[in-house]
Amino acid sequence: GNSVTQMEGPVTLSEEAFLTINCTYTATGYPSLFWYVQYPGEGLQLLLKATKADDKGSNKGFEATYRKETTSFHLEKGSVQVSDSAVYFCALLRKGAQKLVFGQGTRLTINP
Amino acid sequence: NAGVTQTPKFQVLKTGQSMTLQCAQDMNHNSMYWYRQDPGMGLRLIYYSASEGTTDKGEVPNGYNVSRLNKREFSLRLESAAPSQTSVYFCASSDNPGQGDYGYTFGSGTRLTVV
Repeated sequence: GNSVTQMEGPVTLSEEAFLTINCTYTATGYPSLFWYVQYPGEGLQLLLKATKADDKGSNKGFEATYRKETTSFHLEKGSVQVSDSAVYFCALLRKGAQKLVFGQGTRLTINP
Repeated sequence: NAGVTQTPKFQVLKTGQSMTLQCAQDMNHNSMYWYRQDPGMGLRLIYYSASEGTTDKGEVPNGYNVSRLNKREFSLRLESAAPSQTSVYFCASSDNPGQGDYGYTFGSGTRLTVV
């Protein structure tokens, strides 16, 4: 079946540190891949996405590259800020499917 | 602002009471979804509606019913609330599922406590 596995959290970093949140997937064919962010007390927001192999999604300083050979879509940011503290969800959509498959989420806390 | 609107934002129910969570979107999206999010962060799909007039079960449909009233509105009903249904409920909508180039828009959530 289709599934998404994220690195377990919580992740705690200092401001200006480099961030990587790992995401790997299992799916038939070539799914589209997404990262969503949930700030405290809010719903999820689309952060970035990639629809085919080797595509790079980017937004707000975050990047993720669709790696077909390693079935991965790791989220990275070069210098995190306190305002990046949130829960991050990786997700996939198989071609022809009706709904997203979400990972379990990774809580990120950035300390000043 | 365009988006997904959920009401109410907070609700406390007694065990056995019923209530309906409302969701409306103004983006002319075809598909709508109801999720619950429990402590520990994960999202679980309750029901979804791929188009007006259709609904399908998700991972955890027991104890819930839904109605796709029209293209804009998708409600979730708890007929007899139980403490296990204490959760945060999110509605979402999307357009063109299956095209591979889309995303969900989420509402801000309803925080439900069943005592």
